[in-house]
Amino acid sequence: NAGVTQTPKFQVLKTGQSMTLQCAQDMNHNSMYWYRQDPGMGLRLIYYSASEGTTDKGEVPNGYNVSRLNKREFSLRLESAAPSQTSVYFCASSEAGVNTEAFFGQGTRLTVV
Amino acid sequence: GENVEQHPSTLSVQEGDSAVIKCTYSDSASNYFPWYKQELGKRPQLIIDIRSNVGEKKDQRIAVTLNKTAKHFSLHITETQPEDSAVYFCAASRDSWGKLQFGAGTQVVVTP
Repeated sequence: NAGVTQTPKFQVLKTGQSMTLQCAQDMNHNSMYWYRQDPGMGLRLIYYSASEGTTDKGEVPNGYNVSRLNKREFSLRLESAAPSQTSVYFCASSEAGVNTEAFFGQGTRLTVV
Repeated sequence: GENVEQHPSTLSVQEGDSAVIKCTYSDSASNYFPWYKQELGKRPQLIIDIRSNVGEKKDQRIAVTLNKTAKHFSLHITETQPEDSAVYFCAASRDSWGKLQFGAGTQVVVTP
């Protein structure tokens, strides 16, 4: 039982390059999220998916796109990376219908140079 | 939308003393308030949560209090130990699908 798994763990991109962060959960959760973590700013929601087939913008969606591929997988894409997107990215999942624990992946440390 | 403010940003305590972290929220419809602990280089993990129909909840050395009228909630850690050193985040949610608004975090350092 792996929980929430993110890949890759580390990535360095050049400005303008694109990449996709992958996330998968094996807890049969309906809701999945992408957060970014920057020093002194906590965790800010980029996009979320309340259920398979739906996605919605969070607090900081600009420069990102997401895909809820199926119930297990939720990917985050940077089409044209910018230095301002240097951050630690966390995927998370939780049950839907009740407010309960969000389980986080181990994070992806992304540097854009 | 919801706004969560967290204080202090850093907290240094002597081992064995108590630590208190306070958060305020803006959306009176928020009904779920979890606290996450994040050790250096690790993922955030839930340590305790409280729902709006409860005023206080305790789990061993950790307790959370909620004042709905004033729209603030607090984390209390008693008899602190070095392993309590970490960043603690409060959060609030009004959605049944669990979309969380986080505070900026508190770096807690427990010195022997």
